[in-house]
Amino acid sequence: GDSVTQMEGPVTLSEEAFLTINCTYTATGYPSLFWYVQYPGEGLQLLLKATKADDKGSNKGFEATYRKETTSFHLEKGSVQVSDSAVYFCALSDHSSASKIIFGSGTRLSIRP
Amino acid sequence: EAQVTQNPRYLITVTGKKLTVTCSQNMNHEYMSWYRQDPGLGLRQIYYSMNVEVTDKGDVPEGYKVSRKEKRNFPLILESPSPNQTSLYFCASTPSSSGQGKTQYFGPGTRLLVL
Repeated sequence: GDSVTQMEGPVTLSEEAFLTINCTYTATGYPSLFWYVQYPGEGLQLLLKATKADDKGSNKGFEATYRKETTSFHLEKGSVQVSDSAVYFCALSDHSSASKIIFGSGTRLSIRP
Repeated sequence: EAQVTQNPRYLITVTGKKLTVTCSQNMNHEYMSWYRQDPGLGLRQIYYSMNVEVTDKGDVPEGYKVSRKEKRNFPLILESPSPNQTSLYFCASTPSSSGQGKTQYFGPGTRLLVL
């Protein structure tokens, strides 16, 4: 079945460092891909998404490109801030049931001042 | 304000004592879903509902029930909770069950401890 694999955390970086969180997926057909973020004590919220190959999603300085050839959707940010500390989930929506989301296990990111 | 609300936010109970976690959304969304979040496992879908009176099992439905009598409400019922249901639970809603790329809107979560 469909699945999402993302790098294990925790990831700890200094402020202004470059961030990459790897995400790869397995799916039949052409899923949509998402990054959700969960700040401490809160629910998940959509960070960005891409619905077809080569699309780039971007928001709040984060970006990710849908790479069909490598089945990847890596999250990047050029200069992280302390306020980016959160848990990040990569996810896909199955093409046959677009509202069922399959999540990766999450990556906890901590940013040091 | 468009939102998904859950109650209670925190709950401690004992094995076998029936409980209900409520979920309500004010966005007129057709699709609603329940997830549980456990360390190292991400979010796993428990049940979902594509519209009123239409519900189906997700990936981990054992020990749970749901109902969808009204569009806005989707309660999660644990008839006889057990310690392995200790988890963080999220309700989510989506505008429609069709079409890719639809964003899910999550509630704030309910942290449940079953002793």
